[in-house]
Amino acid sequence: DAMVIQNPRYQVTQFGKPVTLSCSQTLNHNVMYWYQQKSSQAPKLLFHYYDKDFNNEADTPDNFQSRRPNTSFCFLDIRSPGLGDAAMYLCATSSLGDRLEQFFGPGTRLTVL
Amino acid sequence: AQSVTQLGSHVSVSEGALVLLRCNYSSSVPPYLFWYVQYPNQGLQLLLKYTSAATLVKGINGFEAEFKKSETSFHLTKPSAHMSDAAEYFCAVSDPWRDDKIIFGKGTRLHILP
Repeated sequence: DAMVIQNPRYQVTQFGKPVTLSCSQTLNHNVMYWYQQKSSQAPKLLFHYYDKDFNNEADTPDNFQSRRPNTSFCFLDIRSPGLGDAAMYLCATSSLGDRLEQFFGPGTRLTVL
Repeated sequence: AQSVTQLGSHVSVSEGALVLLRCNYSSSVPPYLFWYVQYPNQGLQLLLKYTSAATLVKGINGFEAEFKKSETSFHLTKPSAHMSDAAEYFCAVSDPWRDDKIIFGKGTRLHILP
């Protein structure tokens, strides 16, 4: 089945220790998104890619970076995680023909100790 | 700016009873509207979407929603709740003429009582 895969599902890191979250997709979608979802809150868009064209949200902290080496993969790098970065991180994809229908992965829950 | 307001962060209904989750939107242009469901420790799944065609939209799992422009509402309903419907539900809005961003509401957690 075509899908969006996120690894790992659960990630524990230490305060200030860099961490990378991974997303891959078999849908061959051009657009990929990263959202941050804190407990009992709505998902908040961090950034997205149209193919290799990176689009950062104005209020996304510099601590968050992303890489998209090819169509299938996208990475979220948190350079120096703080306690406030503990959250669920959701990856989503959409096609250029229907960018408003987003397909979500299961998420990675990040814990910062 | 567009936004959605979900009334009630928690809603409890008995199994077999009507489910009604309320969503009101704010948009200066005809919006696209969505309902997503999120099960514990899972990603979001699209239930249904309104894209300016029929005002009554049918989705998966027996859910439907009606777009009412006069009330700026897009409430989600299901005639008979099932235990498996227990989840978090997010209403969302997008302006298809401006950008492709989806703005989510804060969510409503649906509890099903046996």
